Amino acid sequence: GNSVTQMEGPVTLSEEAFLTINCTYTATGYPSLFWYVQYPGEGLQLLLKATKADDKGSNKGFEATYRKETTSFHLEKGSVQVSDSAVYFCALSARNTGGFKTIFGAGTRLFVKA
Amino acid sequence: SAVISQKPSRDICQRGTSLTIQCQVDSQVTMMFWYRQQPGQSLTLIATANQGSEATYESGFVIDKFPISRPNLTFSTLTVSNMSPEDSSIYLCSVDVTGITEAFFGQGTRLTVV
Repeated sequence: GNSVTQMEGPVTLSEEAFLTINCTYTATGYPSLFWYVQYPGEGLQLLLKATKADDKGSNKGFEATYRKETTSFHLEKGSVQVSDSAVYFCALSARNTGGFKTIFGAGTRLFVKA
Repeated sequence: SAVISQKPSRDICQRGTSLTIQCQVDSQVTMMFWYRQQPGQSLTLIATANQGSEATYESGFVIDKFPISRPNLTFSTLTVSNMSPEDSSIYLCSVDVTGITEAFFGQGTRLTVV
């Protein structure tokens, strides 16, 4: 079945450091890939998405490229801020007879120090 | 897109009681999904709810514990029955909008069982 594996946390960085959170997936067919973010005490928010191979999703300085050859969708940001501290979830969705189910990775908690 | 309202946003319940969570969408949708996020964990799909048919439950979840209603194309409820402290989680409603490669999530219901 479909699955998502992402880098274990927590990840602790200093402000302005470069961020990479690795994510790989297993899926049949052609899934869409997502990064969601959950800030402390808040709900789940879509950060970015890519719907086909070689697409790059970007938002708020974050980027991720859909790499079909390596089945990866790594999240990157060139310079993190304290306000980026949150839990980041890699996810995939594939449409089948059961609808557009979303499968989530375990989540990676990011702490950014001032 | 879709705007999803969940009620209640949070609740504290006594063990052995039941809580019904409501999910209202601002447009008609075919598929609605219910997820659970246990403390510090990722999101796990509980079941898929179609209008006019019984919900389809994922492995490890049963109708007696998590009965679901789907009376129309904009509304669903999830009941957490005979609660125990292990049911303390965030419960999220999600919808699949035809033609859009993205699932939309409600803000979640934070449940604490004491």
